[in-house]
Amino acid sequence: NAGVTQTPKFQVLKTGQSMTLQCAQDMNHNSMYWYRQDPGMGLRLIYYSASEGTTDKGEVPNGYNVSRLNKREFSLRLESAAPSQTSVYFCSSSPGERISGNTIYFGEGSWLTVV
Amino acid sequence: SQKIEQNSEALNIQEGKTATLTCNYTNYSPAYLQWYRQDPGRGPVFLLLIRENEKEKRKERLKVTFDTTLKQSLFHITASQPADSATYLCALGGGNNRLAFGKGNQVVVIP
Repeated sequence: NAGVTQTPKFQVLKTGQSMTLQCAQDMNHNSMYWYRQDPGMGLRLIYYSASEGTTDKGEVPNGYNVSRLNKREFSLRLESAAPSQTSVYFCSSSPGERISGNTIYFGEGSWLTVV
Repeated sequence: SQKIEQNSEALNIQEGKTATLTCNYTNYSPAYLQWYRQDPGRGPVFLLLIRENEKEKRKERLKVTFDTTLKQSLFHITASQPADSATYLCALGGGNNRLAFGKGNQVVVIP
């Protein structure tokens, strides 16, 4: 049972390049999330998906797009990368459509550097 | 605006002692609060959840309290071990799909 799997683990991008972070979960969870974690800032929610076919903006959505491809997969796209998007990105999932105390399961993170 | 505060200074503690971490919040009425552990280079891992109508929760050597009047949660690790060294995050949740995380508090257990 792999849990939440993210790819790639590490990526260096040039300013203006685009890329997609892939995420898949094998726990049959309804809700999936993308967070970024920066030193001194804590985890901040970028986008989330309460169920297949729905997505909503979180705290810091600018510069990102997401796709909930199916129940298992939730991808994060940077259309035109900027140095301010250098961060560690975490995909996560939880069982219910409304978090209501459900546990969040995190992936191992994707380290992205934009130069 | 909503604020979640955890001590930014690392807590250095002798092995065998009890480590106590604090999570304070303002402008928020969470329905529940969670604690996570994060090791360097890894994703956070869920430890405990406590709901607004609960005062205390325990799991093995871990204990969490939740005081909605003081707007504070305390996280205790009893009989601490070097393997407990990590960063601990508190997170507040309500009726929507969002968890708001604190910045985390590092614990270093000294053998």
